[in-house]
Amino acid sequence: EIVMTQSPATLSVSPGERATLSCRASQSVSSNLAWYQQKPGQAPRLLIYGASTRATGIPARFSGSGSGTEFTLTISSLQSEDFAVYYCQQYNNWPPALTFGGGTKVEIK
Amino acid sequence: EVQLVESGGGLVKPGGSLRLSCAASGFTFSSYSMNWVRQAPGKGLEWVSSISSSSSYIYYADSVKGRFTISRDNAKNSLYLQMNSLRAEDTAVYYCAAMATTQYYFDYWGQGTLVTVSS
Repeated sequence: EIVMTQSPATLSVSPGERATLSCRASQSVSSNLAWYQQKPGQAPRLLIYGASTRATGIPARFSGSGSGTEFTLTISSLQSEDFAVYYCQQYNNWPPALTFGGGTKVEIK
Repeated sequence: EVQLVESGGGLVKPGGSLRLSCAASGFTFSSYSMNWVRQAPGKGLEWVSSISSSSSYIYYADSVKGRFTISRDNAKNSLYLQMNSLRAEDTAVYYCAAMATTQYYFDYWGQGTLVTVSS
């Protein structure tokens, strides 16, 4: 099973600042990686797929990069609505399994 | 507007059974693979099971294999999860999520239904 590790677990950022979140795979997943945003009490929302392609309606301040085992989600200028938990998910090893990282919580500094 | 609405959650004793349902609207349900993803209280996301658009392919996480059964009814735009031999560690919010054919990430999510396994 491919293990996805996200860091840091918590990121404290001031509104307007840049946030950089990391996701590492235990083996190569090529560019088969997605990012999701989850706010308290809500379902996750797809942000990025194919490591770098924004999903429909996602603002340009969200960008994804990386391939192989190292990936980054960057939020260029944090807005109040961006404070949430972010998960990465690999889909290279499908079937039989889809795996998520443990999440990074972006909180207000 | 895409909608996925889960139902059927609740409190059940260890060893018991529960059947979850997910009603879909606003997209071509029969063209999407459907999934169940769960989230234990305060924890991260865990993929549980997937069923292809025509039910030809079905997959389960090792943690639920042999206990859970996924199914769908394309005529009713509905997805199901039959959960048997429930354990305390199955306590979670269960989300249904849609995955476009040949794309293996989750485009659409429901709001979830809480399953609590406790005596």
